[in-house]
Amino acid sequence: AQSVSQHNHHVILSEAASLELGCNYSYGGTVNLFWYVQYPGQHLQLLLKYFSGDPLVKGIKGFEAEFIKSKFSFNLRKPSVQWSDTAEYFCAVSQRLQTGANNLFFGTGTRLTVIP
Amino acid sequence: EPEVTQTPSHQVTQMGQEVILRCVPISNHLYFYWYRQILGQKVEFLVSFYNNEISEKSEIFDDQFSVERPDGSNFTLKIRSTKLEDSAMYFCASSESGGPPETQYFGPGTRLLVL
Repeated sequence: AQSVSQHNHHVILSEAASLELGCNYSYGGTVNLFWYVQYPGQHLQLLLKYFSGDPLVKGIKGFEAEFIKSKFSFNLRKPSVQWSDTAEYFCAVSQRLQTGANNLFFGTGTRLTVIP
Repeated sequence: EPEVTQTPSHQVTQMGQEVILRCVPISNHLYFYWYRQILGQKVEFLVSFYNNEISEKSEIFDDQFSVERPDGSNFTLKIRSTKLEDSAMYFCASSESGGPPETQYFGPGTRLLVL
């Protein structure tokens, strides 16, 4: 079975600091990789996704992530965080099934607090 | 922008009671999912549903759970006899059919508390 590890449980940063959230997965085959964000009181929203091509993926709100196959990693980055980035961030992995469904396997999440 | 909606937002029930959690997926989506998140733990996959049948289910999705698409818009998760450990946030998601990995759009969740 696939597993996803997010090693940072809670990250606290000041505004304008750079962000990198780690995500590692365990699966040797072809995977699809996602970062979701959950703002306080809101539902999960897709930040970005990777399934093929350029391993550096750009998402919404200035976020990007880099897929490094040799390290089984898909770390999320943002060069300068804002107070509005305060949220919980979830890394997720899926493998495409014959049915077409993409069951997501989530990490435990990283809570980001940005201090104004 | 179309959204996945879920009702109720909160549900409190007694152990042993049946609960039905409702979801309205995005209208042109054909794949539907249920996930749950126990407080302080990761979001876990429960079941996926396509073409009026279950595509995949996890080991969590035992005989106490069932899903249904009773009409053209609703997608429901039923827990027949709730247990204390069923207390969690339940998320519904939907995605379009075919092609490369499709984005799953999540609803706001239903917080279920079993007493």
